[in-house]
Amino acid sequence: KAGVTQTPRYLIKTRGQQVTLSCSPISGHRSVSWYQQTPGQGLQFLFEYFSETQRNKGNFPGRFSGRQFSNSRSEMNVSTLELGDSALYLCASSLSQPDNEQFFGPGTRLTVL
Amino acid sequence: GENVEQHPSTLSVQEGDSAVIKCTYSDSASNYFPWYKQELGKRPQLIIDIRSNVGEKKDQRIAVTLNKTAKHFSLHITETQPEDSAVYFCAWGSQGNLIFGKGTKLSVKP
Repeated sequence: KAGVTQTPRYLIKTRGQQVTLSCSPISGHRSVSWYQQTPGQGLQFLFEYFSETQRNKGNFPGRFSGRQFSNSRSEMNVSTLELGDSALYLCASSLSQPDNEQFFGPGTRLTVL
Repeated sequence: GENVEQHPSTLSVQEGDSAVIKCTYSDSASNYFPWYKQELGKRPQLIIDIRSNVGEKKDQRIAVTLNKTAKHFSLHITETQPEDSAVYFCAWGSQGNLIFGKGTKLSVKP
């Protein structure tokens, strides 16, 4: 089976812009979780989707949003970008529950200038 | 709130020695405890996990122990090799998502 894929791998934006990141889970996996990874804060949970519904949400502002499609692919959107949003954004998929085995994608490196 | 404390933040060992990383969690209802290894510039990869009905699990040179009473779980790597050098993250499952520790940077010196 192909692993989790994410596009794009690298992105450079300026403050105030918005960005959309995409994640394709492992075939058959229905749960997709998103994380923000920074050197100072580590891996922080953003949200989790299952069957096109947001099932869990972390402590991030409303500028961070996401969605999931019927084929389980997921997107996350960040609006009104701030310098502090520069990070590696990782998605992870699991069969049904995110507290089962999660498999990570390679991440999207977002730089906000 | 929910959190996990991970210690130490950095660990340097000689090749062949053992390495131990410890985590403490806060939610007694959690029942899933994975460990991830992240090499520089790469994605986190699951190396071992344990569920609350088991006290210890071993896979070759890697073992994980769980003490539910004390809310501690630990990663043990024996006979360390230079390729074990990476950042290791513990995590625990809570209310449908994983809470990660801050990571331990392990350096194995040849």
